[in-house]
Amino acid sequence: DGGITQSPKYLFRKEGQNVTLSCEQNLNHDAMYWYRQDPGQGLRLIYYSQIVNDFQKGDIAEGYSVSREKKESFPLTVTSAQKNPTAFYLCASTPGTGRERNTEAFFGQGTRLTVV
Amino acid sequence: GENVEQHPSTLSVQEGDSAVIKCTYSDSASNYFPWYKQELGKRPQLIIDIRSNVGEKKDQRIAVTLNKTAKHFSLHITETQPEDSAVYFCAASPAGGTSYGKLTFGQGTILTVHP
Repeated sequence: DGGITQSPKYLFRKEGQNVTLSCEQNLNHDAMYWYRQDPGQGLRLIYYSQIVNDFQKGDIAEGYSVSREKKESFPLTVTSAQKNPTAFYLCASTPGTGRERNTEAFFGQGTRLTVV
Repeated sequence: GENVEQHPSTLSVQEGDSAVIKCTYSDSASNYFPWYKQELGKRPQLIIDIRSNVGEKKDQRIAVTLNKTAKHFSLHITETQPEDSAVYFCAASPAGGTSYGKLTFGQGTILTVHP
């Protein structure tokens, strides 16, 4: 699978530890997003970034942090402050430019995080 | 902010029947409405989308309708096949401002097509 790559596919975290999920894209997209998926709740937005060195909180940002130092990369850190981090995490990207700026979002294959 | 409600949460049909999934949204500024299909353990993939300047769009067995006045849109799958079984998500996104491209998703519909 090309385009947008998440790693690792599975991640185990001990309580009290911070962990970082990787997301890289080679689509030359400006905008990148992190979603959390829990059973029966759809996808909820954690953070998004429309341009390098800038990002905004989504609907459930507490306990998470991000950075956007490069256009291709948007890592997500799940901190110890996130009380219920076990979930499936999806990274996505969109072109973010042009006349119709909201377009198809391309998703990575996801990282399943489990607290042990 | 935007709120998207999706119904039903589960849908079971016989092969060959039609399936309809409905979504409502709250923000009148939304103008882009995609539908994603997610198979178990895999990434969501776009199956069809519609913008607010059209009322209906069709792609083979899949169609989407949009009623901007009522703020609802629907996915229609005809002649369903077992491989259509998956979770389907609707979403809405605003046209511009600081939230462009930001998708708000419905809760998902688990579609099961029985052979």
